[in-house]
Amino acid sequence: DAGITQSPRHKVTETGTPVTLRCHQTENHRYMYWYRQDPGHGLRLIHYSYGVKDTDKGEVSDGYSVSRSKTEDFLLTLESATSSQTSVYFCAIKDQGAVNSPLHFGNGTRLTVT
Amino acid sequence: DAKTTQPPSMDCAEGRAANLPCNHSTISGNEYVYWYRQIHSQGPQYIIHGLKNNETNEMASLIITEDRKSSTLILPHATLRDTAVYYCIVRVPLNTDKLIFGTGTRLQVFP
Repeated sequence: DAGITQSPRHKVTETGTPVTLRCHQTENHRYMYWYRQDPGHGLRLIHYSYGVKDTDKGEVSDGYSVSRSKTEDFLLTLESATSSQTSVYFCAIKDQGAVNSPLHFGNGTRLTVT
Repeated sequence: DAKTTQPPSMDCAEGRAANLPCNHSTISGNEYVYWYRQIHSQGPQYIIHGLKNNETNEMASLIITEDRKSSTLILPHATLRDTAVYYCIVRVPLNTDKLIFGTGTRLQVFP
């Protein structure tokens, strides 16, 4: 398994509260990503990072922010959680060394917003 | 990006080879074929990828036809732990961070 740890693995939170999900990698890869997976939508890219303090928006970034202060950690924050953000969130990393390097995924965080 | 077509489901006896097909007839010259699988409640797991030559690693083999319009993922000795949804994805390498997972093939390995 790629050295990716997501925490927490499960979380239940109330509408309107802020939530932070953490992705930690031990591979020293520069590229990191946050996806959400929902039935009927597959995997959708939320935000990504090409290095420390270098982040950008994906296709479903509204309501989310990210931070990358260290190579190994990529944080996803739901500023004010809504029920539509109930989902499974996956972090992924990619080696920048080869242009065709694949993504490697963590085991996800299941978030329920009540 | 090229669209892929996979059968929705397949069965395979434990210990036998599982051959999972994928059609990608609109693939362009610089697009790679990537295979992932997702076991229930886990993250997608990378299996293998290739451009035009056949590839093999510790998990599987990837056979790409000469015209590159289709490919087959081979799990040489399927085990019960190989039961998962398998996704074939065709992407330009620079866009591998924007993977589009379709519906895939649900492989059921039975004893």
